[in-house]
Amino acid sequence: NAGVMQNPRHLVRRRGQEARLRCSPMKGHSHVYWYRQLPEEGLKFMVYLQKENIIDESGMPKERFSAEFPKEGPSILRIQQVVRGDSAAYFCASSPTGGTEAFFGQGTRLTVV
Amino acid sequence: DQQVKQNSPSLSVQEGRISILNCDYTNSMFDYFLWYKKYPAEGPTFLISISSIKDKNEDGRFTVFLNKSAKHLSLHIVPSQPGDSAVYFCAASRVEGNKLVFGAGTILRVKS
Repeated sequence: NAGVMQNPRHLVRRRGQEARLRCSPMKGHSHVYWYRQLPEEGLKFMVYLQKENIIDESGMPKERFSAEFPKEGPSILRIQQVVRGDSAAYFCASSPTGGTEAFFGQGTRLTVV
Repeated sequence: DQQVKQNSPSLSVQEGRISILNCDYTNSMFDYFLWYKKYPAEGPTFLISISSIKDKNEDGRFTVFLNKSAKHLSLHIVPSQPGDSAVYFCAASRVEGNKLVFGAGTILRVKS
């Protein structure tokens, strides 16, 4: 059973471009969470999704950031018009049901130049 | 507003001795607590958890203690091994809320 798969592992974008981060949850997991880790900080919750639904997006910046988890395919975190402050490690986690321990992917390291 | 705090940025322990990592929280609504271990350039790996109805949970070399009145939990690793060297994150959640609130992490170095 493959773990949570994130791609790409590393992503470099110029300021103003769009970044798309993908997450395939573990098999059988229908709950997906996105977290962001800035340098020297802990992980900060961004958004919680179930298939086709956003359950909690209280940690998402109001502008430029969006997330989806379609019926088919991976969950996508999209950042439009990236700025240098978006440079961070973005982690996806999945769980079979909400409220249990979540299993994390290896992360996508976004660098905005 | 830091709801979960790990006040020790780093800890150094001799191989074979006990490692004790501490975590404090401020939100009394948290009722589920977890510890994750993270190596550089990898995602966090779940270690052990405890629900608020318990005060202790053990799994092999790892034991988590919860003191609800003090809003404090700790992770004990006995005996410590060099492979335990990593960043350890404490996290908390309200079961209903599902999302995890993480501390800033403690770097553990186990010296051989």
